[in-house]
Amino acid sequence: KAGVTQTPRYLIKTRGQQVTLSCSPISGHRSVSWYQQTPGQGLQFLFEYFSETQRNKGNFPGRFSGRQFSNSRSEMNVSTLELGDSALYLCASSLAGLDTEAFFGQGTRLTVV
Amino acid sequence: DQQVKQNSPSLSVQEGRISILNCDYTNSMFDYFLWYKKYPAEGPTFLISISSIKDKNEDGRFTVFLNKSAKHLSLHIVPSQPGDSAVYFCAARGDSWGKLQFGAGTQVVVTP
Repeated sequence: KAGVTQTPRYLIKTRGQQVTLSCSPISGHRSVSWYQQTPGQGLQFLFEYFSETQRNKGNFPGRFSGRQFSNSRSEMNVSTLELGDSALYLCASSLAGLDTEAFFGQGTRLTVV
Repeated sequence: DQQVKQNSPSLSVQEGRISILNCDYTNSMFDYFLWYKKYPAEGPTFLISISSIKDKNEDGRFTVFLNKSAKHLSLHIVPSQPGDSAVYFCAARGDSWGKLQFGAGTQVVVTP
């Protein structure tokens, strides 16, 4: 059974640009959550999608957005990039979002210069 | 507002000894707690979990203890092995869809 796949693994962008990250969940999982990890901050919740609908949102500015497709794949978009957006972005999939554990992808390392 | 706290950023332990990682939380609505292990350049890997109706869960070398009255949980690794060297995250789930609240992590180094 394939795990959670995130693409690309690494990205370098310039301030002001926008970026789109992709996440393919485990087959059969319908909930996809996104997290931002920065040094010393742990993982901060961005948002969660289930059946193409955003069900939950963290405390991030509107520059951070996402969507989910009918096959449960999800994309996350960050517009007008800032230096502080440099981080590891992780996606996690689970069956329904309130089940016992979430499975993480390897993450996308975004560097904004 | 950090609702899950891991107050020890790092822990060094000798191979074969016990590693004890601690985690405190503030939200009494949390009903499920998880520990994840993370190696550099990889995503977090699920280790062990515990429901709020239990006070202990064991899986091989890993045991998680939950003290609800103190809002405290701990992860014991016995015996510690060099491959256990990683960052360990404590996470908690309440009734919020798809959201886990994570601590800042504890870097564990197991020395030979």
